[in-house]
Amino acid sequence: DTAVSQTPKYLVTQMGNDKSIKCEQNLGHDTMYWYKQDSKKFLKIMFSYNNKELIINETVPNRFSPKSPDKAHLNLHINSLELGDSAVYFCASSPSRGGEQFFGPGTRLTVL
Amino acid sequence: AQSVAQPEDQVNVAEGNPLTVKCTYSVSGNPYLFWYVQYPNRGLQFLLKYITGDNLVKGSYGFEAEFNKSQTSFHLKKPSALVSDSALYFCAVRDNGYGQNFVFGPGTRLSVLP
Repeated sequence: DTAVSQTPKYLVTQMGNDKSIKCEQNLGHDTMYWYKQDSKKFLKIMFSYNNKELIINETVPNRFSPKSPDKAHLNLHINSLELGDSAVYFCASSPSRGGEQFFGPGTRLTVL
Repeated sequence: AQSVAQPEDQVNVAEGNPLTVKCTYSVSGNPYLFWYVQYPNRGLQFLLKYITGDNLVKGSYGFEAEFNKSQTSFHLKKPSALVSDSALYFCAVRDNGYGQNFVFGPGTRLSVLP
């Protein structure tokens, strides 16, 4: 009964490929987020969705496209992967916009 | 735009001693402040938050934080450190605009020595 789950946990792929990371939360929260954590552990918000509506879209390349099929899911699709995309990607959810967040375990993406 | 500073990359403390992890912030309007902890190869876990009210906020695992508006600080404290508290700690601030965006500090690595 994991609260926020992500798949896959590890993703190793070649430059130029397209990949997706899936996120699901079973907490009944309205808001979901994607974060990127780089090798120095800096954490930066990428996207935020509230009730399937995009709220925050930080300066992220348009190769990154979030999709929220329903309130419980927020997937991240990445086109034409680059070396610099290598990082740990975290999904999170919160009961309301601006509330404390519950994070998933992360997906470690390695682009070769 | 809001920002968060955690002036110490690393804090070392002996087990049983009090610990402090520092955080200062910059935000327009009233601050909404959070502390999270990250253990190795795990996601972040929420510890505590300050929205309004008492300046001393109590959270999980015996942690507390003191909000100081004049010094724009929100330092994390614990009276008696445990070895198991060793982890990466992040301070975060939320802006009050439409997006209610979160900005995280760079993190402070806490090592509690036995």
